[in-house]
This record gives sequence, C-alpha cells and structure tokens, in this order.
Amino acid sequence: DTAVSQTPKYLVTQMGNDKSIKCEQNLGHDTMYWYKQDSKKFLKIMFSYNNKELIINETVPNRFSPKSPDKAHLNLHINSLELGDSAVYFCASSQDGRVTGNQPQHFGDGTRLSIL
Amino acid sequence: GESVGLHLPTLSVQEGDNSIINCAYSNSASDYFIWYKQESGKGPQFIIDIRSNMDKRQGQRVTVLLNKTVKHLSLQIAATQPGDSAVYFCAESNTGANSKLTFGKGITLSVRP
Repeated sequence: DTAVSQTPKYLVTQMGNDKSIKCEQNLGHDTMYWYKQDSKKFLKIMFSYNNKELIINETVPNRFSPKSPDKAHLNLHINSLELGDSAVYFCASSQDGRVTGNQPQHFGDGTRLSIL
Repeated sequence: GESVGLHLPTLSVQEGDNSIINCAYSNSASDYFIWYKQESGKGPQFIIDIRSNMDKRQGQRVTVLLNKTVKHLSLQIAATQPGDSAVYFCAESNTGANSKLTFGKGITLSVRP
C-alpha cells in the first residue's frame, strides 16, 4: 500500500483555471509538506503543516492555498493557474516537524501539472 | 544566499564500478544532511543521512562522507547496479523543530551495462 498518495497523477489544464491536488498519508505522521519540482528537477518546499497547523510557508504566491482537514490529509488548491505553475508537485510527510534520520520525510509519487 | 549544489549534472558509470556523487553546501549552520534517490516517475526516496558531528556513515552499499571544513558532502555507491540509475539529491537542514530541507540540484546517475 502506498504510504503517501497523491491525486491526480497527471493534471492538464488551461491557464486561468482553478485546480486542486489531494494528498493522503497512512503512516500516522503529524507533519505534511508540499514541494514543487521544476523542469530542471530543482525541488523546493512550499508549505508544511503539523497536526493541521501551518508551520512553514515559503515565498509562494497567494494563489496557492493549502488546506489540511485532518493530519492525514493536505490538499493544495491553486487559483488562476499560470504557465509558470507547470511543474511536478510532491506531497511528503514525516513523524513530526523535526528533520531527523529516525523520521525521514516520505514522498508521494508526484502530480504532474501542465498548463496549456 | 544559502544554497546546496552538486558539481556535475550527470554521472555515467559502468555496472559493478563504484560511484561517487559530490555535493557542496553553503549554510554553515546546517547540522544534518541527507541523500535522496529519485527514480523516473517517482518521488524522492531516503537513502542515508549524516549529522554534523560525524564525518562518515555507512549503509548497505552506500557511504556518506561529510567534510565540514570545505562544506562538502559525498555519496559513494559500491558495486553500482542498473537499479541505481536515478537522480540523486543532497539536502541539508538543521535538526530543530519545524526545520525544513533545502535540496541541491539533482545529479543523474546512469549505469552502463
């Protein structure tokens, strides 16, 4: 069973649309993250939530709004999609907000977002 | 600004040879370093980590070396196999609460049969 699952795996949409990506983890972790990976494979954190509370919010346009209905889910809603939003978005989770080897971040397989 | 980067974008090795992937970091406050492996169509997968109070750590076929003097990190893979072909990332962080990972640029490892 997939520990961190994202849906959809592929998302193709037109500029200006609003879309959501969903993420669920069944590891019992308290902390979840959203990362963006660009075409050059550069991976950068966008947000993290610990037990439904926002704890990291990088410099991300406010068109991006994460929502955590419970600690097992972290969804990402994007308004007014732009061409530059095309990327692979990864969800991850960890036991808590501390980065340690005993509790590394587990990543989903990504959502490939393409803006036409 | 703070950055974590890799010296080479691609590395091609013969199957059975040892691979060495290098990484430089610039944030001297970082005290924790991780290597991730990303296969095509998959998310990054944890390989091995090391804390700043160590200079070497070994896993199964992998060894991570840390040189804090020159802010350099390397991943050594012994007897490289076709299944090792992937993009490898180094990442750095601190071990405090609500810490975040800063990833370097990925390097592609290609294993020749």
